[in-house]
Amino acid sequence: QVQLVESGGGLVKPGGSLRLSCAASGFTFIDYYMGWIRQAPGKGLEWVSYVGNSGSYTDYPDSVKGRFTIFRDNAKKSVDLQMDSLRGEDTAVYYCARAVYCGGKCYLPDFWGRGTLVTVSS
Amino acid sequence: QSVLTQPPSASGTPGQRVTISCSGGTSNLGINYVYWYQRLPGMAPKLLIYRNNERPSGVPDRFSGSKSGTSASLAISGLRSEDEADYYCAAWDASLSGPVFGGGTKLTVL
Repeated sequence: QVQLVESGGGLVKPGGSLRLSCAASGFTFIDYYMGWIRQAPGKGLEWVSYVGNSGSYTDYPDSVKGRFTIFRDNAKKSVDLQMDSLRGEDTAVYYCARAVYCGGKCYLPDFWGRGTLVTVSS
Repeated sequence: QSVLTQPPSASGTPGQRVTISCSGGTSNLGINYVYWYQRLPGMAPKLLIYRNNERPSGVPDRFSGSKSGTSASLAISGLRSEDEADYYCAAWDASLSGPVFGGGTKLTVL
């Protein structure tokens, strides 16, 4: 069955960096877009990044653009999120997700991991 | 503040039918599909409804979805205690060029 397992979360100081990893199994990894979605304490879900099948296409919302970078390794079936210049408002549970095509430019998650907590605090 | 608006809470008794609403705008629900997710305590979110009203295999037909204009609804019939969870709606937003989510609705089974 499809499994997505995140790792790499933890406590980091403002301005610091952290790299999250997601190990995928149970499906043909290269067939799918992958992404990260986060949920800050007491808030809703927020899309953080997408990466296309080959890794050449990536996209981010303005809130993280220029600070976060998503990578995928199709041989290892993994997707990483490099987070730099971290801020307090980046504190959240970060979920790895597999995305399915839903028409036009639309990709939405169909499978999620359990998440990993990132806390940005001095 | 989430782009899609959901009530923060909903409740019902076992066997009842409950609905959860999701309100959006012309750049998301107005032109794109709605997806619904269930997150049980401590678990990964799970896809419940895709493309407005389709259920992935394994999701009971007690769960159903609908969409009209810029609003959508998730209905749960024959409510069970194991349905107690957080429910989220999502859609692609053409203006933001990315997915947007509701703030989530916490369903309590009384």
